[in-house]
Amino acid sequence: GNSVTQMEGPVTLSEEAFLTINCTYTATGYPSLFWYVQYPGEGLQLLLKATKADDKGSNKGFEATYRKETTSFHLEKGSVQVSDSAVYFCALYAGGTSYGKLTFGQGTILTVHP
Amino acid sequence: NAGVTQTPKFQVLKTGQSMTLQCAQDMNHEYMSWYRQDPGMGLRLIHYSVGAGITDQGEVPNGYNVSRSTTEDFPLRLLSAAPSQTSVYFCASSYSGDSAAHYGYTFGSGTRLTVV
Repeated sequence: GNSVTQMEGPVTLSEEAFLTINCTYTATGYPSLFWYVQYPGEGLQLLLKATKADDKGSNKGFEATYRKETTSFHLEKGSVQVSDSAVYFCALYAGGTSYGKLTFGQGTILTVHP
Repeated sequence: NAGVTQTPKFQVLKTGQSMTLQCAQDMNHEYMSWYRQDPGMGLRLIHYSVGAGITDQGEVPNGYNVSRSTTEDFPLRLLSAAPSQTSVYFCASSYSGDSAAHYGYTFGSGTRLTVV
């Protein structure tokens, strides 16, 4: 079946540090890949996406590149801010027999200190 | 504002009680789903619907019922609450099942349920 594995957290960084959150996946075919962000007390918001191999998704200074050869979609940001503190979820959509269903990783808690 | 609205935001139930979590969207989305979020386990699919009158089970359906009588509403019913159902519940929607490939889902803000 389809699955997503994220690096375990929590991740604690100082402001302006470089961020990487690793995400790898297992899926049949050519899934679409997503990063969602959940701020405290809120629902999930789509942060960025990539729908085919070698695509780079980007938003709010975050980037992730769809690497089919390594089945990865790592999230990066060059300089984090306190306001980036949140839970980050990697997800995939494979379609086919999984029509309509997103498969999520377990989430990574990020805390950024001033 | 357009989006997915969930009520209530918080709820405490006693073991054995029943209740309905409400979800409504005003975006004319065909596809709606319910997830539960537990620490270290990400989001797990409970039930989903591909359109009015059509529902199906997800990964963890036991103890929950759903119905979809209109496009807008997709309530989740807990039949007899158990402490294992203590969780945060999210409703999500998309234009269609396959539009999730390009646009992902729109999520509600969640219902935090505690069963004592």
